[in-house]
Amino acid sequence: AQSVTQPDIHITVSEGASLELRCNYSYGATPYLFWYVQSPGQGLQLLLKYFSGDTLVQGIKGFEAEFKRSQSSFNLRKPSVHWSDAAEYFCAVGAGVSGGYNKLIFGAGTRLAVHP
Amino acid sequence: ETGVTQSPTHLIKTRGQQVTLRCSSQSGHNTVSWYQQALGQGPQFIFQYYREEENGRGNFPPRFSGLQFPNYSSELNVNALELDDSALYLCASSLVGGIGFNEQFFGPGTRLTVL
Repeated sequence: AQSVTQPDIHITVSEGASLELRCNYSYGATPYLFWYVQSPGQGLQLLLKYFSGDTLVQGIKGFEAEFKRSQSSFNLRKPSVHWSDAAEYFCAVGAGVSGGYNKLIFGAGTRLAVHP
Repeated sequence: ETGVTQSPTHLIKTRGQQVTLRCSSQSGHNTVSWYQQALGQGPQFIFQYYREEENGRGNFPPRFSGLQFPNYSSELNVNALELDDSALYLCASSLVGGIGFNEQFFGPGTRLTVL
C-alpha cells in the first residue's frame, strides 16, 4: 500500500542551527514527491517537489531535499533555520494515473519549533 | 492569476446537520480535489472532480458528496454530521491533461467544528 512516514512528530532547533526533517515513502512506481509547509490556521504551501532528474532539489525559503531511491527517503534540509520557519511540515507522495485521477498521500507531519 | 479560494473560513454545526463548503479553483485549472485534515494529522484525500464528475474517491462514506460546476468551482457536502467530521477541509485545484502528476494548489481551508 502507498504510504508516507514522517518519524519525527516534534522537532525543536535553535535559530541559526541546521535542520533535517525525515520522510520515508512506500510506493510501487517512480514517486512524485513533495514537501509542504503549513502555518497555524493556514492552508498548505509547496516548498519543493521531485518529479525526475537531479535527486537534490531546491525549493523556496532556502530549503532543499534529496531523493534517495535505495532508502525510499526524501528528507528536507535547511542549513540555517530562522524563527519564521516554525510551522508544520508535511511530506507527500503523488499517486495516480497520468492525465487522470490523482491524489496526494500525506505523512502525519512534523511540527518544528525554533528557539531564539 | 487568482489562487484557490474557499468559503466560509470557519463554520460551526451540530451533530446530524448538513453542511456545504465551497471552493473556487485557480484560474485555468479544470480539476478540484478535496482533503480532510483532522487535528494533528496530515490531510486525507476525500475525492476529486473533473469534467463535473467524481474522478476518484478516498476512504470516505457516501454522506460525503460533491459537485463541480461548469466554471470548475466545486462544493463539498457532508450529511448527517458526526463529531469526528470536525476538521480543516482543504480544496486543491489542478490542470489535468499533461504528462505525469498534475500538481495541486491548495486553498486556505474551511475549519468545520461539529458540536
